[in-house]
Amino acid sequence: DGGITQSPKYLFRKEGQNVTLSCEQNLNHDAMYWYRQDPGQGLRLIYYSQIVNDFQKGDIAEGYSVSREKKESFPLTVTSAQKNPTAFYLCASTPGYGYTFGSGTRLTVV
Amino acid sequence: GEDVEQSLFLSVREGDSSVINCTYTDSSSTYLYWYKQEPGAGLQLLTYIFSNMDMKQDQRLTVLLNKKDKHLSLRIADTQTGDSAIYFCAERRGSSASKIIFGSGTRLSIRP
Repeated sequence: DGGITQSPKYLFRKEGQNVTLSCEQNLNHDAMYWYRQDPGQGLRLIYYSQIVNDFQKGDIAEGYSVSREKKESFPLTVTSAQKNPTAFYLCASTPGYGYTFGSGTRLTVV
Repeated sequence: GEDVEQSLFLSVREGDSSVINCTYTDSSSTYLYWYKQEPGAGLQLLTYIFSNMDMKQDQRLTVLLNKKDKHLSLRIADTQTGDSAIYFCAERRGSSASKIIFGSGTRLSIRP
């Protein structure tokens, strides 16, 4: 079955550490996205990529980094510069008109 | 303003209809979406409507679009316990899929 796989489902990070969230899709979609979701808030766009080897900052890119070396993969690194990283992170892809979302990664700073 | 606005909570009796409302801001929006999020999961696309349509019906779901007032609604007929979730309204501004703006979500709870 086609879809988006995010891993891990839960992730714990110590202060000062970088962590990488995985997002893989087998839908052959060109565009991929990372969103952050906080309780009671909508989704906020972190980064997006519309083609391999190219990506753009979203509304809240500070403290995050991404790469897009393969069409299928769009990993997100949460760096130590992100001061409030505890959140639910959602990856999505699109063929152009609507998103398909992964099941999310919940990141907690301990 | 820039936001897509929704009320945060809605409580409905099982078997009744649920109506979730949304106001958006950009008159040039091309697509408007409704997504459903169950606890601990990603968002699932329920339905979408083109901006040149007034209504779209899909089984128990009816979407109404009032472009003049920039108002979108989702009606769920015969609401069931499995409909308990957060529902997000979203608008796509312009031609790029990167410009999809989400509301803050409406939490629908079902009472017996």
